[in-house]
Amino acid sequence: DGGITQSPKYLFRKEGQNVTLSCEQNLNHDAMYWYRQDPGQGLRLIYYSQIVNDFQKGDIAEGYSVSREKKESFPLTVTSAQKNPTAFYLCASSRRDREKEHGYTFGSGTRLTVV
Amino acid sequence: GDSVTQMEGPVTLSEEACLTINCTYTATGYPSLFWYVQYPGEGLQLLLKATKADDKGSNKGFEATYRKETTSFHLEKGSVQVSDSAVYFCALLSGGYNKLIFGAGTRLAVHP
Repeated sequence: DGGITQSPKYLFRKEGQNVTLSCEQNLNHDAMYWYRQDPGQGLRLIYYSQIVNDFQKGDIAEGYSVSREKKESFPLTVTSAQKNPTAFYLCASSRRDREKEHGYTFGSGTRLTVV
Repeated sequence: GDSVTQMEGPVTLSEEACLTINCTYTATGYPSLFWYVQYPGEGLQLLLKATKADDKGSNKGFEATYRKETTSFHLEKGSVQVSDSAVYFCALLSGGYNKLIFGAGTRLAVHP
């Protein structure tokens, strides 16, 4: 079955270290997105990419970086510049011409904890 | 800019009670509207959607009607179950930008 795979499910990082969260989809979707979720604050958009080798900043991009070298993959790096990285991170994807009918498909998330 | 406002939670109900979670939106043009559900420790799942005014989305006993005159998309269910306990997100997709904009989420807790 097609879907989005995020790994790992739980991740622990020491302060000052960079860490990369994986997101892979086999839905043949064009667009991919990264969201951050904090308790009681809903979802905030970090970065998004509508085509390979192109991506745009979302609302809270500072301290994060992404790449989109393959259509299937959209990894997110949380850098040491991110002051409060402990959160639940969600990856999503969509087919650009069917978003109004189908919305986005989400992965199961990665919970990052800074120790 | 476009935005979504949901009623604050948590909403606590007894099993078989009626549910309404209010959602209103601000948008230019004619957005598509969605409800997503998030069970503990999981990602978001699409629950239902509506793409134009007066459309009614429905799934698993939940319903919501796209009301353009009141800019609302309230989620309703006639009889909730313990298994409905989750966080519910209202969202809109702006036609001009194709980015989903989410409300803050409403936590629902259903007790036996």
